[in-house]
Amino acid sequence: DADVTQTPRNRITKTGKRIMLECSQTKGHDRMYWYRQDPGLGLRLIYYSFDVKDINKGEISDGYSVSRQAQAKFSLSLESAIPNQTALYFCATSDFNGQYFGPGTRLTVL
Amino acid sequence: QQQVKQSPQSLIVQKGGISIINCAYENTAFDYFPWYQQFPGKGPALLIAIRPDVSEKKEGRFTISFNKSAKQFSLHIMDSQPGDSATYFCAAKAAGNKLTFGGGTRVLVKP
Repeated sequence: DADVTQTPRNRITKTGKRIMLECSQTKGHDRMYWYRQDPGLGLRLIYYSFDVKDINKGEISDGYSVSRQAQAKFSLSLESAIPNQTALYFCATSDFNGQYFGPGTRLTVL
Repeated sequence: QQQVKQSPQSLIVQKGGISIINCAYENTAFDYFPWYQQFPGKGPALLIAIRPDVSEKKEGRFTISFNKSAKQFSLHIMDSQPGDSATYFCAAKAAGNKLTFGGGTRVLVKP
């Protein structure tokens, strides 16, 4: 997972604050994804991008936005954080063999 | 509504025993079924995967069994080791390489 990096690894913020989570990859993949992980719910897709000009909503996009700055960079923003967005967030890339995940960002919204 | 249902949520097995995790799906458009292994503090990592034209796939101590008519698939970990203690996720892929994940199973292998 060193090929997919996420910053920050941990973040505590307050309700109403804007926060950005960043993801970078050196795998050369066009496809990138953002997921959130909650206990018992597995990973749920927030947004995905098949190339720099292609951004798509996943199953739980409300309250989130993304930016694909380059093939290697895909950022997730919470415009106004709320407590139920407290979760573990993962970025991933994919090729025809499967998806490759970063180490995750643990976000706590107070 | 979870399109991929995974059970059990947690599992304790003795070293050397067999761990079995089951998943069921509804969407017949799914065409690829991977399993991911996640250790604490790490992202999920692809463990083994199967396509629906195959009923079983084995890689080392890990085996996927697939029943297309029942829309079910399972992961068997043979000779379970303490190092296998992790959370396991099944997933299913439809068009566009999007994965739908099960809720996860936390496996603890006791020495």
